[in-house]
Amino acid sequence: SQKIEQNSEALNIQEGKTATLTCNYTNYSPAYLQWYRQDPGRGPVFLLLIRENEKEKRKERLKVTFDTTLKQSLFHITASQPADSATYLCALDWTGGFKTIFGAGTRLFVKA
Amino acid sequence: DTAVSQTPKYLVTQMGNDKSIKCEQNLGHDTMYWYKQDSKKFLKIMFSYNNKELIINETVPNRFSPKSPDKAHLNLHINSLELGDSAVYFCASSQSGQGKFETQYFGPGTRLLVL
Repeated sequence: SQKIEQNSEALNIQEGKTATLTCNYTNYSPAYLQWYRQDPGRGPVFLLLIRENEKEKRKERLKVTFDTTLKQSLFHITASQPADSATYLCALDWTGGFKTIFGAGTRLFVKA
Repeated sequence: DTAVSQTPKYLVTQMGNDKSIKCEQNLGHDTMYWYKQDSKKFLKIMFSYNNKELIINETVPNRFSPKSPDKAHLNLHINSLELGDSAVYFCASSQSGQGKFETQYFGPGTRLLVL
């Protein structure tokens, strides 16, 4: 079965630095890979989607890369701010949306 | 102007009871989901419904019975609640499309505690 691994330990960085979060998966490459943000007590919120034939996607201060050879996605937040502190979930889909598998998430703390 | 709403927000109940959680979306989506997030924060798919039809059932015990009366609603009924059912349950919705992927919009979650 498919497995998704994200850094289980929290990531602490200083404001203004770039945060880099990792998502590794096993077996087959998914058709779609997404990153979500989840704040305490709230539902996940979609951030970015990247397809298997894409290498990189950007949105404002966010960047996602997708390496199907390494079976890895990296999620970058540049010029990080304390408001970026949250849990970031990697999610993979092989079915066109009906069954998305989520990683356990990585907690990010950005210190002022 | 809430996109995906769930009721109740909190649910505390005794083992053995039956309870329901309701979900509604006003985004015009045709696909809805139920997820369970346990104490380790792992978000696991339980059910997917497309146009009111069950598409995915992730080996969930048959004590859990989803019902989709129309495309905008997906309710979850749980019979004979067990301690292990304590978790946060999230509803989500998305729009399907041929050769196209649409992201999911999540509700605020229902925190279920079984005593």
